[in-house]
Amino acid sequence: GESVGLHLPTLSVQEGDNSIINCAYSNSASDYFIWYKQESGKGPQFIIDIRSNMDKRQGQRVTVLLNKTVKHLSLQIAATQPGDSAVYFCAESSRDGNKLVFGAGTILRVKS
Amino acid sequence: KAGVTQTPRYLIKTRGQQVTLSCSPISGHRSVSWYQQTPGQGLQFLFEYFSETQRNKGNFPGRFSGRQFSNSRSEMNVSTLELGDSALYLCASSPTGVVNYGYTFGSGTRLTVV
Repeated sequence: GESVGLHLPTLSVQEGDNSIINCAYSNSASDYFIWYKQESGKGPQFIIDIRSNMDKRQGQRVTVLLNKTVKHLSLQIAATQPGDSAVYFCAESSRDGNKLVFGAGTILRVKS
Repeated sequence: KAGVTQTPRYLIKTRGQQVTLSCSPISGHRSVSWYQQTPGQGLQFLFEYFSETQRNKGNFPGRFSGRQFSNSRSEMNVSTLELGDSALYLCASSPTGVVNYGYTFGSGTRLTVV
């Protein structure tokens, strides 16, 4: 399939384990953050978001943590499944809220 | 409800040519944004259109342009293609352009410049 990131960091996990993907964002003024999943041949798909007035938000099998002090985001995926294999991007929103600034991405590979 | 539709899916062009890519947003969405995705630079914002007006533009040369029609469909054009323009071009539509509400990406157009 197509590769969207030939030189991205890769996280390999065993099926059923928990995954943690990290991201450093750039703009301390950003107030909205999103995690996206991108599978081969597809566009980014929304996973979970968080506003800067929160430090944790949970979804179904996913949790996002925000540390504004060190400008760090993490995405935790519980009980990782083969279908979770993809490239994961964090994104931050500008103050006007109509564009996204993306991180470099991390490849998640799930071993069965 | 149909998603964001981008055409064509794949395109091969020669250096120096120009290309036009199309994006049909989700019905009712008035904002269309364009992004370029390359292995080297990642995902970068190109521009955003709302009600036929460009509201925001990324740091790309003037060879990259776009427009939006009254039915909210958008096109982007790249003139005098360079090898470095080879990329996946993604568009995202949303009701108002604000990224925290209904911001949905299409599957992209993969442009190869030879």
